[in-house]
Amino acid sequence: AQSVTQLDSHVSVSEGTPVLLRCNYSSSYSPSLFWYVQHPNKGLQLLLKYTSAATLVKGINGFEAEFKKSETSFHLTKPSAHMSDAAEYFCVVSDGYGGATNKLIFGTGTLLAVQP
Amino acid sequence: GAVVSQHPSWVICKSGTSVKIECRSLDFQATTMFWYRQFPKKSLMLMATSNEGSKATYEQGVEKDKFLINHASLTLSTLTVTSAHPEDSSFYICSAPGTGTGVEGNTIYFGEGSWLTVV
Repeated sequence: AQSVTQLDSHVSVSEGTPVLLRCNYSSSYSPSLFWYVQHPNKGLQLLLKYTSAATLVKGINGFEAEFKKSETSFHLTKPSAHMSDAAEYFCVVSDGYGGATNKLIFGTGTLLAVQP
Repeated sequence: GAVVSQHPSWVICKSGTSVKIECRSLDFQATTMFWYRQFPKKSLMLMATSNEGSKATYEQGVEKDKFLINHASLTLSTLTVTSAHPEDSSFYICSAPGTGTGVEGNTIYFGEGSWLTVV
């Protein structure tokens, strides 16, 4: 079965400093992986996704993630945090091959706080 | 791009009553929609897969008689919480896969979510 583990429930950074949100996955085959962001009282927005193409995936708002099979990791990074990045971030794995009808399995989330 | 809309965004109901939440795909058709529940400060848990014209598929542990799902058309799925209790208070969110070829056909679109408070 597929699963994801988000290693940090809370991360706090200063504005302008790098962001690192960690995610490890478990999958019996080559996974499709996603990062979603949820701002307070809002729905979910897709940041980026990996579906067995390039291992370094670039997303919206300057975020990117690198798929590392040897480490079973898919960490999310951003070079310079902005106040508007403060939100909850979810690492997600698809139970299929990344097609839109596959079920999504969510991690427990990482709350990112950005200090001025 | 494709948009999924939920209504209502916020609802308060009394214990014992039923409440309906709608999920609409605004500019595309969705034969499948997914309903998730998010407890405070927790992750999203898939409740059920809504299938147009047929019965929903519920995840293990989800009471299908309590959480009624109807997918009567290609653009609308509804979740009805029957005989609601305070422990049903939660954030409910739906999603629908995009259609067609290209990026939209391989993307899942989420609604804005609905906050349910049972008092």
